[in-house]
Amino acid sequence: AQSVTQLGSHVSVSEGALVLLRCNYSSSVPPYLFWYVQYPNQGLQLLLKYTSAATLVKGINGFEAEFKKSETSFHLTKPSAHMSDAAEYFCAVSDLGSSNTGKLIFGQGTTLQVKP
Amino acid sequence: DTGVSQDPRHKITKRGQNVTFRCDPISEHNRLYWYRQTLGQGPEFLTYFQNEAQLEKSRLLSDRFSAERPKGSFSTLEIQRTEQGDSAMYLCASSPTGNNEKLFFGSGTQLSVL
Repeated sequence: AQSVTQLGSHVSVSEGALVLLRCNYSSSVPPYLFWYVQYPNQGLQLLLKYTSAATLVKGINGFEAEFKKSETSFHLTKPSAHMSDAAEYFCAVSDLGSSNTGKLIFGQGTTLQVKP
Repeated sequence: DTGVSQDPRHKITKRGQNVTFRCDPISEHNRLYWYRQTLGQGPEFLTYFQNEAQLEKSRLLSDRFSAERPKGSFSTLEIQRTEQGDSAMYLCASSPTGNNEKLFFGSGTQLSVL
């Protein structure tokens, strides 16, 4: 069965500092992996996705994530945090792996706080 | 593209009452999903439609829950005889034909059962 675990429910960084949000997955088939962001009072928005092509995936707003099969990880990074990055971030894995139905299994979420 | 819209944004009801939520997906998106999110947790899949056909229902969806998507456009989610444990944010999402990997989410309906 597919699952994801996000390490750290809250992460706080200073503006301009590196952002690192951790996600580990478990999957019985080659996974499709996603990061979504949820700003206050808004719907979840896709940041980036991994679908078995390049292991380093670039997304919107300067975020990127690297798929590491040996570590079963898909951590999200951004070199320099901006105040507008403050939000909740969710890692997700597609159920049924490559046979993607849009049914996603989400992690618990990580709240990113950016301090001035 | 007006996005996925959900109505109402908030619903407060008493235990035992029935409630119905509506979701309008992005036009021409053939897939529509319902998820539920409780405080401090990620969204959990409930059910999804391809056009008007309901293709899968989660075991989380008890018999008190029913979803419809007549004519393959908007969808409704009804909860009968609500319980306090039903209190959650109910999220709707849609995806375009051929790109089921990218879900577009609405802002959700927050249900509080007193």
